[in-house]
Amino acid sequence: GAGVSQSPSNKVTEKGKDVELRCDPISGHTALYWYRQSLGQGLEFLIYFQGNSAPDKSGLPSDRFSAERTGGSVSTLTIQRTQQEDSAVYLCASSSAGTLAYEQYFGPGTRLTVT
Amino acid sequence: EDKVVQSPLSLVVHEGDTVTLNCSYEVTNFRSLLWYKQEKKAPTFLFMLTSSGIEKKSGRLSSILDKKELFSILNITATQTGDSAVYLCAGRGGSQGNLIFGKGTKLSVKP
Repeated sequence: GAGVSQSPSNKVTEKGKDVELRCDPISGHTALYWYRQSLGQGLEFLIYFQGNSAPDKSGLPSDRFSAERTGGSVSTLTIQRTQQEDSAVYLCASSSAGTLAYEQYFGPGTRLTVT
Repeated sequence: EDKVVQSPLSLVVHEGDTVTLNCSYEVTNFRSLLWYKQEKKAPTFLFMLTSSGIEKKSGRLSSILDKKELFSILNITATQTGDSAVYLCAGRGGSQGNLIFGKGTKLSVKP
């Protein structure tokens, strides 16, 4: 079956521009997570959506970062007025309810480069 | 502040060697510890551990959790070049389910 997909796979943008990153979770998965991985660093949690509950935004590094999840499925991570330190790989993951609820399936990521 | 620390940061071995990767954690309301293998961009799930002392095994890989000492190890026996990757450890805590990741151990297996 289809896994988590993300688009674009690579994005190069100029400092100060806004970018939108998209995540399509596995069908039926109620939980969706965004992480980012900077060069040489571990994965950093950004935001978490669970069903219709209010998202956990505690990992967002600044108010330039926001995310939406429409219809409980597709999610968009938006970074406004991008800075060079935003350059990283942005990973999306989803998980389902049930016995393996804690197993998160990751997408291939979007590599963002801010020049 | 919650944190997960992995060691070593990098490791170079030869095919056939056995390796042990370490993960220590300080996670509020700890629920589980997960191991992932990351070869390119997306990590792939290896193990989830919730109970102390119970070894999980998959082929040449195995892992165990010690909730008293707050650490886990990942063992790989008879390593192969295809085991070369970054191995990530993550702790799950709290009520929201997000994971706190370590920086990973980069394993290089030489032929």
